[in-house]
Order: sequence, then structure tokens, then C-alpha cells
Amino acid sequence: NAGVTQTPKFQVLKTGQSMTLQCAQDMNHNSMYWYRQDPGMGLRLIYYSASEGTTDKGEVPNGYNVSRLNKREFSLRLESAAPSQTSVYFCASSESRVFNQPQHFGDGTRLSIL
Amino acid sequence: RKEVEQDPGPFNVPEGATVAFNCTYSNSASQSFFWYRQDCRKEPKLLMSVYSSGNEDGRFTAQLNRASQYISLLIRDSKLSDSATYLCVVIRSSGYALNFGKGTSLLVTP
Repeated sequence: NAGVTQTPKFQVLKTGQSMTLQCAQDMNHNSMYWYRQDPGMGLRLIYYSASEGTTDKGEVPNGYNVSRLNKREFSLRLESAAPSQTSVYFCASSESRVFNQPQHFGDGTRLSIL
Repeated sequence: RKEVEQDPGPFNVPEGATVAFNCTYSNSASQSFFWYRQDCRKEPKLLMSVYSSGNEDGRFTAQLNRASQYISLLIRDSKLSDSATYLCVVIRSSGYALNFGKGTSLLVTP
């Protein structure tokens, strides 16, 4: 049971470099999400995709872009990485945006920006 | 005021003890509530949903108090393997908003 798969698991970038974090789910879920988790800050939503073909900003979208490539895949792009984007990034999916649906998480991408 | 607040702990309890965490939320329109568990440097995993009437799953009991706007998690007969951070999650009735608390750290000791 793969669930939600994120690649890569670890990455080190230099300031100004670009990078795409990949996420794929095999649960036929409609909604997908990108979060970042920083010490003392908890999980914060960056972007989400309620369904294939739609994306919306979350709490902390600045510096990021996303693409919902198809129902399975939702990528997060850093166009010009900054040290403030050093974080652990989690992708999640849920059956729908209906409010009582829990989310299932990938195991994270640990990203360091030097 | 943060939308979801939790006592960060840590709660240090001996094996076999009963421990309870509370989580308060500020938006009275909140509709759905969950507890997630997160082990160190791992992804959050759904522990249990929280229903209006309260619900139990083995050693874990979740309660919702809408009047006072808090949810609780009770863990009975604590195991070493229960050591983790417990995240409270609150969802509003509209929009995407899945609000995570910052988590409560639990350490169960032998």
C-alpha cells in the first residue's frame, strides 16, 4: 500500500536555485495538499487542490507554485529558493474537500536551503 | 488568538498511567475534529476522528465539548509506544481550512 509518495526525501539547495517536489497518491483521492512544518510553528498549508484542474492558495503560498498534473500527482515548485524555505514539506490527500474527510500524509521531504 | 491551541507539554508519564490532553479552538463554526499522531521526524498519521457523542478506540477516548470549544484525548494504560506528538486538527464548515494545533508531546517512561 503506497498511499502518498513524495520525492525526493532529502534535498539541499543553494539560495536562488529552483526545485520541484513531487507527490503522487494511489488512493483515487480528489483533493491534495502541500504543507510545511517548521519547529514551533506546526503544520501550515501552502497550496491545495480540491480536485483535478483546480489549485488554491493556503496560508503561506508566497515563494511557491503548484501544478495538479492529473488526479494522482500534485507538485510543488520553488522557483528561487530562499533560506526561509528550509523546512519539512508534507504532501497529503483526502477523498474530497468535504469537511469530514481526514487527510493522509506522505512521509515528507526534508529541504535545506543554504 | 490562534485558531487551534494545544499545551505543547511535554507530558512525562509512567507506563500504565492515564493521561489526557485538551485542545481548544476559537471558531465556533468548526465542524470536524481529529487527533493525529506524529512520531519524531515522521509524517502525521490519523489517530481518530472526534464525534459529537464522544468515541472510543481501544485505549483511546476522544471527546468534544462544543459549548466550551475544546476537544480532548484520553489515553489509558499508556505504553512506551504511545510516546509521540499528538496533533489536534479542526476543520471549518466551509473552505479548505484544516487547522492543525502545534501538538502536545507525550513521553511514556518505563
